Amino acid sequence: GESVGLHLPTLSVQEGDNSIINCAYSNSASDYFIWYKQESGKGPQFIIDIRSNMDKRQGQRVTVLLNKTVKHLSLQIAATQPGDSAVYFCAENRVTGNQFYFGTGTSLTVIP
Amino acid sequence: NAGVTQTPKFQVLKTGQSMTLQCAQDMNHEYMSWYRQDPGMGLRLIHYSVGAGITDQGEVPNGYNVSRSTTEDFPLRLLSAAPSQTSVYFCASSYSGSAYSYNEQFFGPGTRLTVL
Repeated sequence: GESVGLHLPTLSVQEGDNSIINCAYSNSASDYFIWYKQESGKGPQFIIDIRSNMDKRQGQRVTVLLNKTVKHLSLQIAATQPGDSAVYFCAENRVTGNQFYFGTGTSLTVIP
Repeated sequence: NAGVTQTPKFQVLKTGQSMTLQCAQDMNHEYMSWYRQDPGMGLRLIHYSVGAGITDQGEVPNGYNVSRSTTEDFPLRLLSAAPSQTSVYFCASSYSGSAYSYNEQFFGPGTRLTVL
């Protein structure tokens, strides 16, 4: 079946470095993607989204890149801070329905 | 605004028992959904609703029922609890579920359910 998956289950970075979290998807019909942050014991929190008619979108300290050719998106976090430690999920939404499909998540640990 | 609220926060059930997980939002969102999150896995959609009186199945609907009588509330019912339903359940809402509309999803804090 179709899936949204992440390349790396865990990622450790030094405080102040940039972080890159990757996500692969297999359904070329997906046209809307969201990155979520989930802190321990809490629900997911929206970070940034991107539509398939865009290659790049920037927010505050975060950038999402979308490569439709290889069905890949990434989340870049600039100047990573301890508060960025969390599990990050990508999710895709398909034009044909109202359903979001989530990846398995990447756990980001920021080392002070 | 309280956002998305869920009750209870924790629940332990015995196999075969039934219960209702409550979800409410005060943002006048049309789209509401229920997910379950199991260890090592992402969130999986159970049921969703695009408006009052309209519900539909997600990826893993078996063993669960939903109804949407008001815009604000979207309860999830476990008909006969099984150990496989041990999970963390999240409710979410957004303005719209459509990929063509602004649809940032707001999640509740979750309900941790254990079925013995």
